[in-house]
Amino acid sequence: SYELTQPPSVSVSPGQTASITCSGDKLGNKYACWYQQKPGHSPLLVMYQDNKRPSGIPERFSGSNSGNTATLTISGTQAMDEADYYCQAWDSSTVVFGGGTKLTVL
Amino acid sequence: QVQLVQSGAEVKKPGASVKVSCKASGYTFTVYHIHWVRQAPGQGLEWMGWINPNSGGTNYAQNFQDRVTMTRDASISTAYMDLSSLTSDDTAVYYCARDTGEIVATTLFDSWGQGTLVTVSS
Repeated sequence: SYELTQPPSVSVSPGQTASITCSGDKLGNKYACWYQQKPGHSPLLVMYQDNKRPSGIPERFSGSNSGNTATLTISGTQAMDEADYYCQAWDSSTVVFGGGTKLTVL
Repeated sequence: QVQLVQSGAEVKKPGASVKVSCKASGYTFTVYHIHWVRQAPGQGLEWMGWINPNSGGTNYAQNFQDRVTMTRDASISTAYMDLSSLTSDDTAVYYCARDTGEIVATTLFDSWGQGTLVTVSS
């Protein structure tokens, strides 16, 4: 079965750029999307089709996907961006999530 | 606005079944697939499958193929997820989520229910 691998944690200082990676076999040939989840809340779609932002998502969020790696980048990271982030892709009629990355802003 | 409201928390004994409901409002229920995703305590997201509210057709994740049944009652805009033969490993928050695609699933989820905690304990 298809697997997506994320680093368990990423730390960033306020105002700096955070990059969260998601690796999978030939992931660049699929569309990747990203969800943000804050404690006690349901997930929120923050990026889809690799690099498209849903309405209401700040411009500081951007995405890319090439080769075996998709990346979610947060420029000028703010304290409110501290959350768990999950990548997701579709393979063989199955939705696959990455294991999640805890972004700490300190 | 789009809203998905789920049923309340459940406590079940091992071997039992649980049925979680997801009532949709703010849009035409039959146009968008409903997915079910679960999250064990402190763990990541796990997709369980989807239901096409128009046809009733389903697509289940392999891990749940033998134990899950997804149904809907379009007359009350409600989707259901039934999970049988529960074990402690099924203790999790269960979410319903709406697909973004009209008629055809995109497997992107733009609206989520508030989650339903299912606890399996003897």
